[in-house]
Amino acid sequence: EVQLVESGGDLVQPGGSLRLSCAASGFTFSSYWMTWVRQAPGKGLEWVANMRQDGGEKHSVDSVKGRFTISRDNAKNSLYLQMNSLRAEDTAVYYCVRGVTYFDYWGQGTLVTVSS
Amino acid sequence: DIVMTQSPDSLAVSLGERATINCMSSQSVLYSSSNKNQLAWYQQKPGQPPKLLIYWASTRESGVPDRFSGSGSGTDFTLTISSLQAEDVAVYYCQQYYSTPRTFGQGTKVEIK
Repeated sequence: EVQLVESGGDLVQPGGSLRLSCAASGFTFSSYWMTWVRQAPGKGLEWVANMRQDGGEKHSVDSVKGRFTISRDNAKNSLYLQMNSLRAEDTAVYYCVRGVTYFDYWGQGTLVTVSS
Repeated sequence: DIVMTQSPDSLAVSLGERATINCMSSQSVLYSSSNKNQLAWYQQKPGQPPKLLIYWASTRESGVPDRFSGSGSGTDFTLTISSLQAEDVAVYYCQQYYSTPRTFGQGTKVEIK
């Protein structure tokens, strides 16, 4: 059974940093592109960033460029999102998602709240 | 960026009746080399992550009931629930994967009338 379990969400002050993790199991992690998608409270879905299987290619949405960094450790079957210079508008549930085109498996999400 | 626009924002349908959700992209998402539309549909119930329903605009994901169907090509797409069930109450999103950044529609909330 495919499982994606996010962790690391927390309440953080504006300008602060946070590192999200996603533990994958039930599939060959190193064979898939992986993606982060976020959802602000009561709002829609926003694609954040993705990374190729070998980590050699990655992309992110303009609003997080220079602040967020996606990475992965295939030996640990884990995906990460390092978030720096956090803003109030980054408040959201962050989902770890399998895939690069359509997204067939989603984690339950981890809540990041940016507030003073 | 490709902008995805769904209509309506919400709709209320009687049990057993048809529900139709539209999705329009700001540019074509038909990939000419494969002749496949790079369009997916998701269902999100309260407190849950989204669930993939349809990809390539009309291919149902394994396990998705056949009352859900997708159609359309180019810039105009439709998700149809042929006979609405109580468990279909949710927000539905379309998403394009023709280009990066991937983008989603704003969502359509489906309720029971």
